Amino acid sequence: SQTIHQWPATLVQPVGSPLSLECTVEGTSNPNLYWYRQAAGRGLQLLFYSVGIGQISSEVPQNLSASRPQDRQFILSSKKLLLSDSGFYLCAWATGDAGELFFGEGSRLTVL
Amino acid sequence: GQNIDQPTEMTATEGAIVQINCTYQTSGFNGLFWYQQHAGEAPTFLSYNVLDGLEEKGRFSSFLSRSKGYSYLLLKELQMKDSASYLCAVRDSNYQLIWGAGTKLIIKP
Repeated sequence: SQTIHQWPATLVQPVGSPLSLECTVEGTSNPNLYWYRQAAGRGLQLLFYSVGIGQISSEVPQNLSASRPQDRQFILSSKKLLLSDSGFYLCAWATGDAGELFFGEGSRLTVL
Repeated sequence: GQNIDQPTEMTATEGAIVQINCTYQTSGFNGLFWYQQHAGEAPTFLSYNVLDGLEEKGRFSSFLSRSKGYSYLLLKELQMKDSASYLCAVRDSNYQLIWGAGTKLIIKP
């Protein structure tokens, strides 16, 4: 069966510090991979998605970046965090464009 | 622009039935999803509708009317564990998911 795992689950970072969130998927090949951010009272905001290794599409201009170094690995990064980067970050995978999304456990980021 | 509307919060009683509505205006339509999200956790998939009508899955059912841009999620025999947020999402013509802000459902004994 397929599983998705992301870490860390919780982190508190000072403004200006770097960020790295990692996500891995097991049990499937060539999945579509997604990074979302969820702010309180708002819908999920798509940050990045990837249809293959090295292929990243950015949906929102920001100080975040994403990379897909391996087929089932998706990384969200920042060189310098802003206060506005605080939120709940979710990694997800899907089989192609039409399938439902399966989410990782989520990472709650607090920038102070 | 694209928009998904659902009530912010609803309250229901344990054992009762509740209907959570979702209306959408999107550029094309390639399916509608309902997800459940408990506080502090990730969303989990509940249902998928692409054709008009009712899809039943145990205590949960989801209805779709594409002509009206409308869906609802029906929860029967409510249990305390059903207290969660319920997210409606529509896949548009570009196969991008447009998400509603979610409906927080509070179940009272």
